Amino acid sequence: AQSVAQPEDQVNVAEGNPLTVKCTYSVSGNPYLFWYVQYPNRGLQFLLKYITGDNLVKGSYGFEAEFNKSQTSFHLKKPSALVSDSALYFCAVKNAGNMLTFGGGTRLMVKP
Amino acid sequence: KAGVTQTPRYLIKTRGQQVTLSCSPISGHRSVSWYQQTPGQGLQFLFEYFSETQRNKGNFPGRFSGRQFSNSRSEMNVSTLELGDSALYLCASLPTGDTDTQYFGPGTRLTVL
Repeated sequence: AQSVAQPEDQVNVAEGNPLTVKCTYSVSGNPYLFWYVQYPNRGLQFLLKYITGDNLVKGSYGFEAEFNKSQTSFHLKKPSALVSDSALYFCAVKNAGNMLTFGGGTRLMVKP
Repeated sequence: KAGVTQTPRYLIKTRGQQVTLSCSPISGHRSVSWYQQTPGQGLQFLFEYFSETQRNKGNFPGRFSGRQFSNSRSEMNVSTLELGDSALYLCASLPTGDTDTQYFGPGTRLTVL
């Protein structure tokens, strides 16, 4: 079965600094990878996905992710963090059918 | 387009009761999936429905069931509630394709006392 792992429970960054939220995957075949963000008491909001093509994927709110096949990683990045980016971030991989398997989540804290 | 709608948003039940949650997908989306989110287990897949048929099922006991109607709206039911069923239940919809994006609703927060 496909799986993803988010090695950091929390990431702290100062506003204006670049941020990275890490995700590694384990799949057989070509991975379909996703990033979602969750704000308090809200559902998941789609940020971006990698299906095929360019290894650098651009998404919503200035986020991007880099797909690295040799390192089996799909890290989420943003050049300049905002306090409003503080939230819970989930990496996911598509499994059989349309089932998503999620990582454990990473809490991003951006401090002013 | 309106997003995914889930009702109710909050629910409090007692052990042994049953509960039904509702999800209305984005217009034109034919697939609906359900996920359970808890602090301990994270996000876990419950089941997926497509054209009124269950297409995929996660590793949950038979107390968890669902269905989909001809207008793509979906319901999930949990019978004989246990304390551990307290969770945020999220519904996601997508059009049909393998590479499509799933869009999530705001969730239903179920508390079992």
